[in-house]
Formats: sequence, structure tokens, C-alpha cells
Amino acid sequence: DTGVSQNPRHKITKRGQNVTFRCDPISEHNRLYWYRQTLGQGPEFLTYFQNEAQLEKSRLLSDRFSAERPKGSFSTLEIQRTEQGDSAMYLCASSLSGTSGGWFFGPGTRLTVL
Amino acid sequence: GIQVEQSPPDLILQEGANSTLRCNFSDSVNNLQWFHQNPWGQLINLFYIPSGTKQNGRLSATTVATERYSLLYISSSQTTDSGVYFCGGQEGSARQLTFGSGTQLTVLP
Repeated sequence: DTGVSQNPRHKITKRGQNVTFRCDPISEHNRLYWYRQTLGQGPEFLTYFQNEAQLEKSRLLSDRFSAERPKGSFSTLEIQRTEQGDSAMYLCASSLSGTSGGWFFGPGTRLTVL
Repeated sequence: GIQVEQSPPDLILQEGANSTLRCNFSDSVNNLQWFHQNPWGQLINLFYIPSGTKQNGRLSATTVATERYSLLYISSSQTTDSGVYFCGGQEGSARQLTFGSGTQLTVLP
């Protein structure tokens, strides 16, 4: 297993376009998390899945954001009608329930909205 | 929600120096972890440290859960230690980690 992977690594888009990011967690990990990070700040929680169920969403998450984890494996994060304020690094992490610690992050997707 | 305060926000060291980074929580947390964010943006897990002390090579961490803080020690720093260090913890029954704003460490050759 090569860890958590994310694609694409970079995305440049024009305001108003839709974008979709993918996260592949560590294969045996049943928990998956999406975070957003802007320059100079710590990661900010967006949403959390246990298996295929989306169990928690940040109240800060706009209706333009949607996430899925259809088979409890990979996950996608879609942003509709992107705005310049959506420019950030989007991070995915995975962990295994019943264990403590052991969060592993992917390399992130850097989104730039022009 | 909990507040996580990290200090100092920035730290510049000469190679070989030692340093201590601190993380304060506004309330009790579970699953306290330290991460290093490398220059490419990836967060690397350093320690799971809900209480007590752990060591891994030149790095060690101590958490005093009753006083709601954790410390990360870096000894004999190297230029490869540069980057941003984050701590995070889970509040109550929440599953997500809440992170601080990080400490930006620069180690000069």
C-alpha cells in the first residue's frame, strides 16, 4: 500500500466552473476525511465518512460542495460554480476505526480559481 | 468548538540547535496528534500522544492532558526539519481533528 493518494495534484479553473477531486485512502481504512487549508492557516474540517456513510459535515460547508464515497473506498469532492474564495489546498485523510492516532494524509489538491 | 493555540507562530534556528513547540487546547481532547507539513504540502504524522511522553529519534513529544497542552521537542535540528508543525485533537465524541494554525520552523544551514 502506497498511502493516501489524491488526484489531481493541481487544478486551475475559471470562476463559475465545476471541479471534482478524488481521494483514494489506505485500503483497510474505513474512515475518510476532507479538509481545506488556506495559506498560513491550519487544516479546516469539511466532511467525514465512515465506510460509505457521510456522518458529519462542517456548518461552514457551502451548498456548492458535495462529497461522496459510493462503495466505501475512494471518495470524490465536487465544488460547483467555483468562486475565487474556493482557492485552497484540499486535503484528504484516512484512519481505521477502533484504533487511536494513525491519521494519514494525502498530498493534497491545490485549487486555483481565476 | 475547541480552540487550539500553537506557539511560537514562527521559529528560525541554526542547524544543530534544539527547539520546543507548544500546543494549548481550550478543552480536553482525545486522539492528540502532531504532524509535519513538508514544503510540498503533505502532512506527515509524527506522534499520537494523548498523554505522557514518546520519542522517535531526534523528536519527542509530551502531553499533559490535565493541563491541556502538548510539547514537541526537536533536538539537533537539521534543514530537513523545516516546514510547518501542526497539532490536532478531537473534541468529545467528534471524529474530526481540530488543528491549530501551526508553527513555521526554518532551520538555516
